[in-house]
Amino acid sequence: GAVVSQHPSWVICKSGTSVKIECRSLDFQATTMFWYRQFPKQSLMLMATSNEGSKATYEQGVEKDKFLINHASLTLSTLTVTSAHPEDSSFYICSARGIPSGSVNEQFFGPGTRLTVL
Amino acid sequence: QKEVEQNSGPLSVPEGAIASLNCTYSDRVSQSFFWYRQYSGKSPELIMSIYSNGDKEDGRFTAQLNKASQYVSLLIRDSQPSDSATYLCAVNTRGTYKYIFGTGTRLKVLA
Repeated sequence: GAVVSQHPSWVICKSGTSVKIECRSLDFQATTMFWYRQFPKQSLMLMATSNEGSKATYEQGVEKDKFLINHASLTLSTLTVTSAHPEDSSFYICSARGIPSGSVNEQFFGPGTRLTVL
Repeated sequence: QKEVEQNSGPLSVPEGAIASLNCTYSDRVSQSFFWYRQYSGKSPELIMSIYSNGDKEDGRFTAQLNKASQYVSLLIRDSQPSDSATYLCAVNTRGTYKYIFGTGTRLKVLA
């Protein structure tokens, strides 16, 4: 149980284009989803928290107009990187917490999406 | 600034030995603590969660929590080469569902 999927697993795009990443909880309802970014040899940095049906809460320094997050249902959240630039190249990972889970505070991570912007 | 600190390593141990990984945190109201394992190029995988002072054992893994000293540790017994990975400590603060991650400790188990 508690499986989270992401699609695509990797994407290469040209500078200036937009990229959408999907995060799905496959066997549970995710009341909250989180989006992280991880640069090489660095830890995970939380970008935003999204709750189903409400606006995402972004961490300080994360541009909400550049990283659009939609949590339209209890099993799906999307992250759209708009007008991507090479500095946006990173490993984007989503996680979900929901019902049921071993603990209400546990987060289950998706496999990640590697974005490369040329 | 709430912080979670780990020694970046690498921590090298011979196969079959006990690997000891440590994590300290600054926020005294931290409530939940997690250890994740992350292989290179992969996303984190939950190993253990711990909420109360003391030890929690699961197979070869033991998590230890000391809230008074604000540290949490992970012991890996009978270390295997397949345990070679980066181990991330994550802390959750009361009143929020967010995690704060440490920078991770890279573990190398030598065959």
